[in-house]
Amino acid sequence: GQNIDQPTEMTATEGAIVQINCTYQTSGFNGLFWYQQHAGEAPTFLSYNVLDGLEEKGRFSSFLSRSKGYSYLLLKELQMKDSASYLCAVRGATSGTYKYIFGTGTRLKVLA
Amino acid sequence: DAEITQSPRHKITETGRQVTLACHQTWNHNNMFWYRQDLGHGLRLIHYSYGVQDTNKGEVSDGYSVSRSNTEDLPLTLESAASSQTSVYFCASSESTGFGYTFGSGTRLTVV
Repeated sequence: GQNIDQPTEMTATEGAIVQINCTYQTSGFNGLFWYQQHAGEAPTFLSYNVLDGLEEKGRFSSFLSRSKGYSYLLLKELQMKDSASYLCAVRGATSGTYKYIFGTGTRLKVLA
Repeated sequence: DAEITQSPRHKITETGRQVTLACHQTWNHNNMFWYRQDLGHGLRLIHYSYGVQDTNKGEVSDGYSVSRSNTEDLPLTLESAASSQTSVYFCASSESTGFGYTFGSGTRLTVV
């Protein structure tokens, strides 16, 4: 079967660092994506990992371990505007496949 | 600027009616997708297309259909709307390299 797990909710304080974990079991692997979704809005692309290791993009970093089926999104210097849901998505490895499987998302609340 | 637009943004319809949700993109992307988003389920794939005249079923395709007569449009039709189809619907597109989705703003559909 195919499954992506993320915590449902997390809370953190403004200025802090938060790590959102994602574990996956999929039939093949060809990339892991993180999206941010504010309430009532569309998801927007944050990061992409296809090889093991850390990808850094300003305040946001994403890590991947393919052997462990594990990724995390690290948010530094949290701001109030980071309050949103964070979606983990995996793309399968079947040739010509461009569709993703999404996790249910992690709702992050940033407190002042 | 290129964009992906969905219409209508909100719709209320009655059980048993046929409903069509529009999705139009000017990115010239070959790949287009329809997802529904419900609490506790995350984004689930309904149908997708990798090019003109190509359509494929996703994990929750029952009761839905799509057609792809040109690159820009992938309308989603609910053949006979049911209350279980009350949801937020997102259209997305991507390049053939499959690097990341661009999402439309979503359509909130209520079936009464």
